[in-house]
Amino acid sequence: DAMVIQNPRYQVTQFGKPVTLSCSQTLNHNVMYWYQQKSSQAPKLLFHYYDKDFNNEADTPDNFQSRRPNTSFCFLDIRSPGLGDAAMYLCATSRDGGTLYEQYFGPGTRLTVT
Amino acid sequence: DQQVKQNSPSLSVQEGRISILNCDYTNSMFDYFLWYKKYPAEGPTFLISISSIKDKNEDGRFTVFLNKSAKHLSLHIVPSQPGDSAVYFCAALTGTASKLTFGTGTRLQVTL
Repeated sequence: DAMVIQNPRYQVTQFGKPVTLSCSQTLNHNVMYWYQQKSSQAPKLLFHYYDKDFNNEADTPDNFQSRRPNTSFCFLDIRSPGLGDAAMYLCATSRDGGTLYEQYFGPGTRLTVT
Repeated sequence: DQQVKQNSPSLSVQEGRISILNCDYTNSMFDYFLWYKKYPAEGPTFLISISSIKDKNEDGRFTVFLNKSAKHLSLHIVPSQPGDSAVYFCAALTGTASKLTFGTGTRLQVTL
């Protein structure tokens, strides 16, 4: 089945220690998104790639970076995680030419910062 | 500033009855609204949507109603089934952007 895969599902990192979360997709969608969801809050868009074009949200901290080496993979790098960065991180994809609102989500990576 | 609001964090409904989940928004530029469903340990999945030019969209047991003047939409599930127990997110976007703005979600519990 075509899908969005996120690894790892659970990640524990230390305060200030860089961490990378990964997302891959077999849907061949050209748009990929990263969301942050804290407990009892709405998922919040951090940034998205439209093909290779990176689109950062204005309020996304500089601590968060992303890479998309090819269509299938997208990475979220947190350079110096703080305790406030503990959250669920959701990756999603959509297809230009289709309906962009039909975003397909991965299961998420839950990040704990100790 | 929460532009999409789901004021009920949880809802419990008996099997067979109607579930009504509500959502309010503040941004009049939103022109497309969606509902996503999320089971534990899974990502949200798209359920149903409605364009701002419509006031109703139906898909099987699921119907979404939009009241633009009140900036309010609702999701009706009839009849509710135990498998509908999940968190439901309301989301909105403008036609010029691919950015979804989500609400905080409502946890629906359908009891036997």
